[in-house]
Amino acid sequence: SQQGEEDPQALSIQEGENATMNCSYKTSINNLQWYRQNSGRGLVHLILIRSNEREKHSGRLRVTLDTSKKSSSLLITASRAADTASYFCARGSGTYKYIFGTGTRLKVLA
Amino acid sequence: DVKVTQSSRYLVKRTGEKVFLECVQDMDHENMFWYRQDPGLGLRLIYFSYDVKMKEKGDIPEGYSVSREKKERFSLILESASTNQTSMYLCASSVRLWDRGYQPQHFGDGTRLSIL
Repeated sequence: SQQGEEDPQALSIQEGENATMNCSYKTSINNLQWYRQNSGRGLVHLILIRSNEREKHSGRLRVTLDTSKKSSSLLITASRAADTASYFCARGSGTYKYIFGTGTRLKVLA
Repeated sequence: DVKVTQSSRYLVKRTGEKVFLECVQDMDHENMFWYRQDPGLGLRLIYFSYDVKMKEKGDIPEGYSVSREKKERFSLILESASTNQTSMYLCASSVRLWDRGYQPQHFGDGTRLSIL
């Protein structure tokens, strides 16, 4: 499959804990993006990391990229109930196409 | 903020019907996309368009066609709906810059389509 694969498929944590999600892929990339999807809604872009970058931060989000292992991770620190959602990685592929993974369902318990 | 609007949140149609899903974006984006989302399969690209009247097939174009007569509007057409096209359909748009492929996509809220 050309899709990125997220791991774990589902994650349940307590409010205040950190949540880590991983994304693996098979072919080379020029960028990788993370999106969030709340139940019944569209996807919202969170962060983009380019292939020559190793780490990026945005608020409580930290994304790392290891091109040698063809993997990326998304860390959400100090989780809140409002972070409950599905998280997808998407890699830039070809000219306009993005390849999305199957997502990690995160549940943050209050 | 970019707004991508899909005409229906929920739609129920019968097999064999011709179905139109409409998407409008208000930010003058060149690129527009149609995906379907199914449990365990993630998002799969059906078609995308990089300009008015221009389109390219995605990964699963069979049974679908698209129309882009105006820059802001991208329509997905199910020529003869079948039950295996029951799914969540998501429209997205993005700008087209010289370093294409690096720009985030902006999504609508989706249309949950049921074919009976």
